[in-house]
Amino acid sequence: DAGVIQSPRHEVTEMGQEVTLRCKPISGHNSLFWYRQTMMRGLELLIYFNNNVPIDDSGMPEDRFSAKMPNASFSTLKIQPSEPRDSAVYFCASSQTANYGYTFGSGTRLTVV
Amino acid sequence: AQSVSQHNHHVILSEAASLELGCNYSYGGTVNLFWYVQYPGQHLQLLLKYFSGDPLVKGIKGFEAEFIKSKFSFNLRKPSVQWSDTAEYFCAVNAGNTDKLIFGTGTRLQVFP
Repeated sequence: DAGVIQSPRHEVTEMGQEVTLRCKPISGHNSLFWYRQTMMRGLELLIYFNNNVPIDDSGMPEDRFSAKMPNASFSTLKIQPSEPRDSAVYFCASSQTANYGYTFGSGTRLTVV
Repeated sequence: AQSVSQHNHHVILSEAASLELGCNYSYGGTVNLFWYVQYPGQHLQLLLKYFSGDPLVKGIKGFEAEFIKSKFSFNLRKPSVQWSDTAEYFCAVNAGNTDKLIFGTGTRLQVFP
């Protein structure tokens, strides 16, 4: 298995532009999580899905952020419009059940200038 | 609300020194506990996990952790660290009927030869 696959690895964009981050979870994993990591705040859970349904989006910072999971093998996190304070590393993770822990992707380093 | 505290923010050791990183959580019910490691520039990887049974859990690379229920703690230990253990270490807890993992703020470990 190739693990959790995220794209792109790096993204540099100008303030105001739309940014879309992509994630392919491990096949057979029914939960998917989006985290944001910054020096100031550490790892923050943004949203998670179970069986493609959003379960908890309380961590999504504001309406500029949205996430979708149209099927079991694909999820997107969109920021529109992007702002410099959105600069962070965004990790996607998937799990079969939480008991087994998560498998993390390699992350997307987003820089908004 | 559930929370995880890692009191050591930055630990500096020489090779062969012993390591203990503290982790405390707040939740009164049954918990699953995890330690993750993040090497520089990489994603989080699972070191070890505790679900039930023997409170002393052994993980990869010589790490172990002890669950002490009365102290709400799950400290990570290694008898002799190596330079290659330089990384950030995250404690995480999964509690209740949820798939969410709540992460601590992390401990940065630097090991000097």
